Amino acid sequence: AQSVTQLDSQVPVFEEAPVELRCNYSSSVSVYLFWYVQYPNQGLQLLLKYLSGSTLVKGINGFEAEFNKSQTSFHLRKPSVHISDTAEYFCAVSETGFQKLVFGTGTRLLVSP
Amino acid sequence: KAGVTQTPRYLIKTRGQQVTLSCSPISGHRSVSWYQQTPGQGLQFLFEYFSETQRNKGNFPGRFSGRQFSNSRSEMNVSTLELGDSALYLCASSLVQGQETQYFGPGTRLLVL
Repeated sequence: AQSVTQLDSQVPVFEEAPVELRCNYSSSVSVYLFWYVQYPNQGLQLLLKYLSGSTLVKGINGFEAEFNKSQTSFHLRKPSVHISDTAEYFCAVSETGFQKLVFGTGTRLLVSP
Repeated sequence: KAGVTQTPRYLIKTRGQQVTLSCSPISGHRSVSWYQQTPGQGLQFLFEYFSETQRNKGNFPGRFSGRQFSNSRSEMNVSTLELGDSALYLCASSLVQGQETQYFGPGTRLLVL
């Protein structure tokens, strides 16, 4: 079975500052890794995914994440955040070849001016 | 191409009633998964359908059921509603089973009184 830990429930940051949202996972089998964003009263939007290959993954809206197999981490980063990035961010894992996503508890990113 | 659509968007029911939620996947997508999102339990996998067959099921009681039609549209049903069933129910679709990218709909928010 897989599990995902998002260490920070809330991350406050000022506009134009860099941010890192942390994600650690646990799995005994090969997995895919994902970051999703959820804006208020909306569904989930895929930010980026790691399937294989380069450990640095670039996504939409200027976000990127780095897969670290030895530390079983997949932290999300953005060099300069905007007010519009205020949302809930979910890290998720799925066993390769399977549809089921296992999500972390989410990190609320609060960007203030 | 239209995204995943879910109907209705909002629903209020009373304890003991049953409810049916509908999901229309992106055109051409054949795999549909359902998730429940609550403040206490977070995002949890309910079940996955591909080619009208349930391929995987999460850890939910038998009151939760689903089906998929030949046009890939899916419905989920919850019988004998309980207060704890109040949640946002999200549907996700992908092109084929086991494909890594799932696209989420806006969800149906169910309130059980």
